[in-house]
Amino acid sequence: DTEVTQTPKHLVMGMTNKKSLKCEQHMGHRAMYWYKQKAKKPPELMFVYSYEKLSINESVPSRFSPECPNSSLLNLHLHALQPEDSALYLCASSHARREAPERQYFGPGTRLTVL
Amino acid sequence: SQKIEQNSEALNIQEGKTATLTCNYTNYSPAYLQWYRQDPGRGPVFLLLIRENEKEKRKERLKVTFDTTLKQSLFHITASQPADSATYLCALRSTGGFKTIFGAGTRLFVKA
Repeated sequence: DTEVTQTPKHLVMGMTNKKSLKCEQHMGHRAMYWYKQKAKKPPELMFVYSYEKLSINESVPSRFSPECPNSSLLNLHLHALQPEDSALYLCASSHARREAPERQYFGPGTRLTVL
Repeated sequence: SQKIEQNSEALNIQEGKTATLTCNYTNYSPAYLQWYRQDPGRGPVFLLLIRENEKEKRKERLKVTFDTTLKQSLFHITASQPADSATYLCALRSTGGFKTIFGAGTRLFVKA
């Protein structure tokens, strides 16, 4: 199984809502990532978890809250978002081999619209 | 600051020709460089990886070169097909870290 799954595929939420994005992989990867991608822009790294510990937080606003309950799951909790947060949110995973080149496996993304 | 530039926002070529995409970077010393394909509304899909000490890598109709002196990578698709139409992203990463920096991508259109 070389797949990263993300739910939901689409999400529309108001600025006062609380919602969560979910990501799952069963490849035994120990690094998991959240990216944000706006139209015609590259994916921008938000968070990285390595061995279930937060390894990188790219100065993301606190209205985005990541969580890694176990090595297969990654959540992104959303609260009080702004319309400019509307984007494609991508989850990715990799082996977490620091000293060896490695590719990332991306999920299909969640298309988020904030009204 | 670290910067990655991909040669053009869009590239149009005729079916059967070779598509050549360019990736230039500044203020960075990557240990390796990757190319990904992304279709609209989908996640990127890994294509090729080349290390800093490698000059060229091939996989079927794909070829990538890496020149650390020029700080440039070229990505070639030979005998292009309409199904190759997509956005191609180059990405840089250092070993010892998890941060990957992506270029903005080049949208390739292959006309039949």
